[in-house]
Amino acid sequence: GAVVSQHPSWVICKSGTSVKIECRSLDFQATTMFWYRQFPKQSLMLMATSNEGSKATYEQGVEKDKFLINHASLTLSTLTVTSAHPEDSSFYICSASRREGGYTFGSGTRLTVV
Amino acid sequence: QKEVEQDPGPLSVPEGAIVSLNCTYSNSAFQYFMWYRQYSRKGPELLMYTYSSGNKEDGRFTAQVDKSSKYISLFIRDSQPSDSATYLCAMIEGGSYIPTFGRGTSLIVHP
Repeated sequence: GAVVSQHPSWVICKSGTSVKIECRSLDFQATTMFWYRQFPKQSLMLMATSNEGSKATYEQGVEKDKFLINHASLTLSTLTVTSAHPEDSSFYICSASRREGGYTFGSGTRLTVV
Repeated sequence: QKEVEQDPGPLSVPEGAIVSLNCTYSNSAFQYFMWYRQYSRKGPELLMYTYSSGNKEDGRFTAQVDKSSKYISLFIRDSQPSDSATYLCAMIEGGSYIPTFGRGTSLIVHP
């Protein structure tokens, strides 16, 4: 079945540093990648949508200069949290859509900024 | 009012019980309906996908859609402790590719 590999699964970083989260579709081409943020006991909050080779579309209220998304190929998308602060601590999840339909989620990244 | 409403629970049931999880929605443009299961600190995994009113069965899971009432359900038969997780409903408008998620219902199946 379709698999999306997300790394790292857990990261702690110091305030002010940047963190890159990577999502790879292992056995299919991801036409669109979605990036979500999830707070404890809350639903998935869509941050941005990206298509291969084009700029990401950010949801209202999401700072595009803070959350840099790169979708360089049909199998790789990255989210970089720049100048991270404690309020950026959260669970970040990617999801990839396939040409034939359906969505596959990565396993998530728990970011803790200290 | 949110487009998709889902009771966060938690819903606690004994092993072997039939579980009913529900979502209501207000957007009549939603055409595709999905149920995801999410274990703690993991990404969601797709359980069921349907686009028509009626029932769809897959093993112990049955997805039910009532478009006239804007109501969807997921039934789990013979629930097991391993079913303990958060269950998220998701919906997509026809012609769109961006799903809208419910907040998830936490299910606890105790032995």
